[in-house]
Amino acid sequence: KQEVTQIPAALSVPEGENLVLNCSFTDSAIYNLQWFRQDPGKGLTSLLLIQSSQREQTSGRLNASLDKSSGRSTLYIAASQPGDSATYLCAAYTGTASKLTFGTGTRLQVTL
Amino acid sequence: SAVISQKPSRDICQRGTSLTIQCQVDSQVTMMFWYRQQPGQSLTLIATANQGSEATYESGFVIDKFPISRPNLTFSTLTVSNMSPEDSSIYLCSVAERGEQYFGPGTRLTVT
Repeated sequence: KQEVTQIPAALSVPEGENLVLNCSFTDSAIYNLQWFRQDPGKGLTSLLLIQSSQREQTSGRLNASLDKSSGRSTLYIAASQPGDSATYLCAAYTGTASKLTFGTGTRLQVTL
Repeated sequence: SAVISQKPSRDICQRGTSLTIQCQVDSQVTMMFWYRQQPGQSLTLIATANQGSEATYESGFVIDKFPISRPNLTFSTLTVSNMSPEDSSIYLCSVAERGEQYFGPGTRLTVT
């Protein structure tokens, strides 16, 4: 059974800092890994999708990496802004289960 | 990317009653997914709904409690039956396109 863990659970940084969010998964037989953003009380916004054959994906200030062999993914946010404050979720799509398994989330606060 | 809408956006219901949540997608999709997010928790898959067949429920979720309809390729409903305060959650509809998963804005349900 796939298990996805995110560290840290919460993070507070001053505006302008670069930061890294971590995601680990137990079953390396994944098809892809997706990072989402969730604002309080809202739905999820897809940020980046990394296919199992890829090592990283970039979108603007965001860069996600994937290392299947070690069961890890990271989300790098450059030059953080207060508008980046949200909960960030990673989710692994596992072929054997044919479903998306979500991590526990990292709650990010970027302060002025 | 798919655009998903849900109705209602929120509701407050009395225990013992039922609520039906609607999910509409702006394009035809084969599979639609229903998730639950309990307060302070990550997302848990309730069931996968394919058009023209019975929904597939995850462990811990049963059809009598969460009946699902999928009458066509752009619409689905989830009913939360005989509600109790433990059913208070955000319920999210999701679809997958080219391996990437998209979510609706969610329905925030409070059971009193």
